[in-house]
Amino acid sequence: GAGVSQSPSNKVTEKGKDVELRCDPISGHTALYWYRQSLGQGLEFLIYFQGNSAPDKSGLPSDRFSAERTGGSVSTLTIQRTQQEDSAVYLCASSAAGSQHFGDGTRLSIL
Amino acid sequence: QKEVEQNSGPLSVPEGAIASLNCTYSDRVSQSFFWYRQYSGKSPELIMSIYSNGDKEDGRFTAQLNKASQYVSLLIRDSQPSDSATYLCAVNAGGTSYGKLTFGQGTILTVHP
Repeated sequence: GAGVSQSPSNKVTEKGKDVELRCDPISGHTALYWYRQSLGQGLEFLIYFQGNSAPDKSGLPSDRFSAERTGGSVSTLTIQRTQQEDSAVYLCASSAAGSQHFGDGTRLSIL
Repeated sequence: QKEVEQNSGPLSVPEGAIASLNCTYSDRVSQSFFWYRQYSGKSPELIMSIYSNGDKEDGRFTAQLNKASQYVSLLIRDSQPSDSATYLCAVNAGGTSYGKLTFGQGTILTVHP
């Protein structure tokens, strides 16, 4: 596809469950970013990948959050033991040279 | 002080008018600046990037950057109802082309017919 693809588009889960969110970047984009957007908090950076390594993971809010990227392409963001405050839209972006392009996001709701 | 601040809005302008959106940032080493448009329920869409002091024009959009004043703005000429959206200012905090973006809270723009 031409753009950044994220799945699922919506996820509803119970508090305490683990969730996995997937991002497929634009082909050829070496840099990949995860952000979170919630009411009152705006758009917050979580983690940045260059290839398969993560030189900046300073935005991960707790050790319940982790992410990996394999083959320099698809990335997975995992949230363990979800809490209600994890409810947000999780956005993935990729870039080749500077400008970041976003996927449609995963809307995560924790019951 | 927030790292990136935008005029709080909401901003309402009549169709055909110029909409002016403003943003200030606190990190003096910031090098890259972006404006994103976000429609309700949609993801941010890049509309402008600017790296050097001065103006950059693209169609009806003009971005202005003043690094000495740590100020970046977006002008939308001949505003259309379809321009109604939230506009997000984003700054590259790391000073490189591949660093994370720090976003402002956004300004809601409404263009009324």
